[in-house]
Amino acid sequence: NAGVTQTPKFQVLKTGQSMTLQCAQDMNHNSMYWYRQDPGMGLRLIYYSASEGTTDKGEVPNGYNVSRLNKREFSLRLESAAPSQTSVYFCASSEGGTALYEQYFGPGTRLTVT
Amino acid sequence: AQSVTQLGSHVSVSEGALVLLRCNYSSSVPPYLFWYVQYPNQGLQLLLKYTSAATLVKGINGFEAEFKKSETSFHLTKPSAHMSDAAEYFCAVSDRGAAGNKLTFGGGTRVLVKP
Repeated sequence: NAGVTQTPKFQVLKTGQSMTLQCAQDMNHNSMYWYRQDPGMGLRLIYYSASEGTTDKGEVPNGYNVSRLNKREFSLRLESAAPSQTSVYFCASSEGGTALYEQYFGPGTRLTVT
Repeated sequence: AQSVTQLGSHVSVSEGALVLLRCNYSSSVPPYLFWYVQYPNQGLQLLLKYTSAATLVKGINGFEAEFKKSETSFHLTKPSAHMSDAAEYFCAVSDRGAAGNKLTFGGGTRVLVKP
């Protein structure tokens, strides 16, 4: 049982390049989330998927797109990377879509945009 | 919109001393409240949560937190710090009844434990 896995662990992009961050969970969870972590700002929600087939914007969605590929996988795409997107990105999942359900976090992807 | 304030971005404690991390939230309706811990180069792990009922919540690794509505606070404590407690701690809130399990995090407090 690997929990929540993320690939890649590290990535360096040049401004304007695109990339997709991958996330998968093996806990049969219904809801999945993408956060970014910046120093002094905690984690901020980018997008979430309450259930397979649905996605919704979070607090900071600009510059990102997501795809809930199936129940296990939730990817985050940067179409044209900008230096302001340099951050650590975390994927999380939960059994249900309310705050009564604990969110389980992956190990993160450290992204640098030059 | 909800907001969460953690007082002190860095806290230094001696091994065996009390750990006290402060968290205040802004909401007229008490939200759900959480404390998460992040060890170096890892994701976040839930320490404890307050959803209703008991105002004193016990979590893992000897941590506990008390919900005080009058002070809009949810401070985290541990009576005796261990070296293994060195990590970053995040307070988070979620609106009761809101659609989606959306957490709003505070800025985090990094704890250093001195031998």
